[in-house]
Amino acid sequence: QVQLVESGGGLVRPGESLRLSCAASGFTFTYYDMHWVRQAPGKGLEWVSFVRSDGTNEYYADSVKGRFTISRDNSKNTLSLLLNSLRTEDTAVYYCATGVLVAGLDSWGQGTLVTVSS
Amino acid sequence: EIVLTQSPATLSLSPGERATLSCRASQSVSDFLAWYQQKPGQAPRLLIYDASSRATGIPARFSGSGSGTDFTLTISSLEPEDFAVYYCQQRRNWPLTFGGGTKVEIK
Repeated sequence: QVQLVESGGGLVRPGESLRLSCAASGFTFTYYDMHWVRQAPGKGLEWVSFVRSDGTNEYYADSVKGRFTISRDNSKNTLSLLLNSLRTEDTAVYYCATGVLVAGLDSWGQGTLVTVSS
Repeated sequence: EIVLTQSPATLSLSPGERATLSCRASQSVSDFLAWYQQKPGQAPRLLIYDASSRATGIPARFSGSGSGTDFTLTISSLEPEDFAVYYCQQRRNWPLTFGGGTKVEIK
């Protein structure tokens, strides 16, 4: 079955960097577009970034544009998100997600928590 | 950016009652709208995609309707496991956006 496992979260100080990873299994990773979505504590969902299946297109939320970079390694079935110049408002659980069966995000990881605090 | 406004923010209902959740878009999203359910400590679960199509394994008591700017998620008869937060999301334009959510709580 489809499995997405995020890792790399942790506690960092404002201005620091972090790299999140998402290991995919149970489906042909190279065929599917991938997303990152985050959720601040007690808040709603916020879409963060997208990368096309072949890595040719990327999109970002305005709140992270220029600071975050999405990438993927189709040979390793891995999605990444590089978080630079972190701010306290980036504190959130970060999920990777994709749509395997339908035109919606039908597969999600369990999330990884990023805490930005001095 | 397309803004999605969900109402009400909280819906207090009893098991067996009908729930009607609204999502309004600031501009047309055609039928490129999805609904998700999220329970505490869990990742979101896709319920409805393309406004009215149920995702795999979703019970028939969940239905979606609407197009353009006004959408509705209906739960025909609430089961105990349906008390959760529900989000709408559009994929018509970049950036993708989510609504602020509607919490369905037990009355």
